[in-house]
Amino acid sequence: KAGVTQTPRYLIKTRGQQVTLSCSPISGHRSVSWYQQTPGQGLQFLFEYFSETQRNKGNFPGRFSGRQFSNSRSEMNVSTLELGDSALYLCASSLGDRVHEQYFGPGTRLTVT
Amino acid sequence: ELKVEQNPLFLSMQEGKNYTIYCNYSTTSDRLYWYRQDPGKSLESLFVLLSNGAVKQEGRLMASLDTKARLSTLHITAAVHDLSATYFCAVDGGNEKLTFGTGTRLTIIP
Repeated sequence: KAGVTQTPRYLIKTRGQQVTLSCSPISGHRSVSWYQQTPGQGLQFLFEYFSETQRNKGNFPGRFSGRQFSNSRSEMNVSTLELGDSALYLCASSLGDRVHEQYFGPGTRLTVT
Repeated sequence: ELKVEQNPLFLSMQEGKNYTIYCNYSTTSDRLYWYRQDPGKSLESLFVLLSNGAVKQEGRLMASLDTKARLSTLHITAAVHDLSATYFCAVDGGNEKLTFGTGTRLTIIP
């Protein structure tokens, strides 16, 4: 069974640009969550999608947005990039029933210069 | 707002020794997860704890959950070098929203 895949794995962007990250969940998983990991703030929840609906959102500015498609694949978009957005962005998929764990993808390492 | 505290933040221990990592959280939850992260890698699921008194064991690692005390522990028995990694606990605050602890960076010294 294939795991969670994320593309691209590495990305370098300039301040002010926008970026779109993609996540393909494990087959059969309908929940996709996004997290940001930085040395200073640790792992922080961004948002979670289940069956194309955003069920939960973390405390991030509106520059961070996401969506989920009918095949459960998800994208995350960050507009007007700031230096502080440099981070490892992890997506996780699960059955969405709060019983089974979330499985994490390899992450996208975003560097903003 | 749910807060999750882990301690210690850093732990160096000799091979063969036992130690415990603690995870405290601030509001009621009956779902707690432990993950492992190797440098430059993603998170690997270790344990899912879903009820008060839950205990799970895998190899040299054992995790437990006390929902009344809002405390989970990850116990390491007879540590080996392969266990060197950063360990995170994460608490489900509802709707798959995980709040992570700060992580414990574990280094096993030969």
